[in-house]
Amino acid sequence: QVQLVESGGGGVQPGRSLRLSCAASGFSFSLYPMHWVRQAPGKGLEWVARLSHDGTDFQYADSVRGRFTVSRDNSKNTFYLQMNSLRPDDTAVYYCAKDSIRWSVDYWGQGTLVTVSS
Amino acid sequence: DVVMTQSPLSLPVILGQPASISCRSSQSPVSTDGNTYLNWFQQRPGQSPRRLIYEVSRRDSGVPDRFSGSGSGTDFTLKISRVEAEDVGVYYCMQSIHWPWTFGQGTKVEIK
Repeated sequence: QVQLVESGGGGVQPGRSLRLSCAASGFSFSLYPMHWVRQAPGKGLEWVARLSHDGTDFQYADSVRGRFTVSRDNSKNTFYLQMNSLRPDDTAVYYCAKDSIRWSVDYWGQGTLVTVSS
Repeated sequence: DVVMTQSPLSLPVILGQPASISCRSSQSPVSTDGNTYLNWFQQRPGQSPRRLIYEVSRRDSGVPDRFSGSGSGTDFTLKISRVEAEDVGVYYCMQSIHWPWTFGQGTKVEIK
């Protein structure tokens, strides 16, 4: 069965960096694009970024473009989100999600909480 | 960005009664391939989101058939034919054809 396990969240000061990881299993990871979606405390869902199956094509939300970078290691079945210049409004639970190929996401991880505060 | 507008934002329902959530997009999520990339997700309290419906009306495996999606163009609807206690949570529509992908604000379904 598909499993996505995020890690790397925690508390960080504004302006600092953090890298999130998403360990995938139960499917052919190298064949699927992957996404990050976040949810601020008590708020709705916000799509953050997508990376193609081979890591060559990517899209970002305007709110993170230039500060966040997605990458993947298909040999390790792991997807990453490098977050630089963090701001308090980046505070959220970050979910990784598997693309369904048919322009959607079909599986989500349990999420990892990032708190940006001084 | 494509704006997804859901209504109502809060939906108290009686167990066993139907419920309906509307989602309107500022641009049609129809692709050049003719498919419409409109999704519905359920987020139960304390859980990750779960996809219920994709491409307007295709139900995911394991999703009860009391859930149905419909619509076209820029207007879409999620219907629950008979609400059960396990349906409590927040429901989101999402368009997945225009970058960035965008979600509606969410509709909180609770038992009256």
